[in-house]
Amino acid sequence: DTAVSQTPKYLVTQMGNDKSIKCEQNLGHDTMYWYKQDSKKFLKIMFSYNNKELIINETVPNRFSPKSPDKAHLNLHINSLELGDSAVYFCASSQGAAAPTRQYFGPGTRLTVT
Amino acid sequence: KQEVTQIPAALSVPEGENLVLNCSFTDSAIYNLQWFRQDPGKGLTSLLLIQSSQREQTSGRLNASLDKSSGRSTLYIAASQPGDSATYLCAPGLQGAQKLVFGQGTRLTINP
Repeated sequence: DTAVSQTPKYLVTQMGNDKSIKCEQNLGHDTMYWYKQDSKKFLKIMFSYNNKELIINETVPNRFSPKSPDKAHLNLHINSLELGDSAVYFCASSQGAAAPTRQYFGPGTRLTVT
Repeated sequence: KQEVTQIPAALSVPEGENLVLNCSFTDSAIYNLQWFRQDPGKGLTSLLLIQSSQREQTSGRLNASLDKSSGRSTLYIAASQPGDSATYLCAPGLQGAQKLVFGQGTRLTINP
């Protein structure tokens, strides 16, 4: 009965490759997010989707392309991976888009680019 | 641009002590503020959400206070236990958007 799940948990790949991370939530929420936590543990929002519509895009390189096939899923595809993309990526969900509400996080995907 | 600072960056105390974690933010125009806990290698767990109109919010041994005008929040942990060891992050929520800005966190270690 996991609330927010992500796959894979670990991802090791070489520079230049393309990879995807998947996220699913079973909380019935209508808003989903991708966050990046770098090596210094700073957690920053990348994207937010509400009812499959992009509502926040924090000037992330266009090599990163989120896709939301439905309200319960938000995937992240990364093209031409670079060393600086190494980080832990967290998916989260919440209800509503007009104001901040309690957010529920997935366990994270540790991406290592070599 | 909202900036969030958490002090101290790390804290180590013996079991049973009461302790206070501090969070400050530069833009007081917030909708609410959340405190999260992050265990090593895990995701974040929301502990408390305090609305901008509230002064305090309590959950068990945890108490969060908010002074919006001065841009400060504190998380008080009573009778600390080894299981409280984790990184604690505060995140003000911006008005008009589902957006949180996170501090760098306070890494807390409770020694048995």
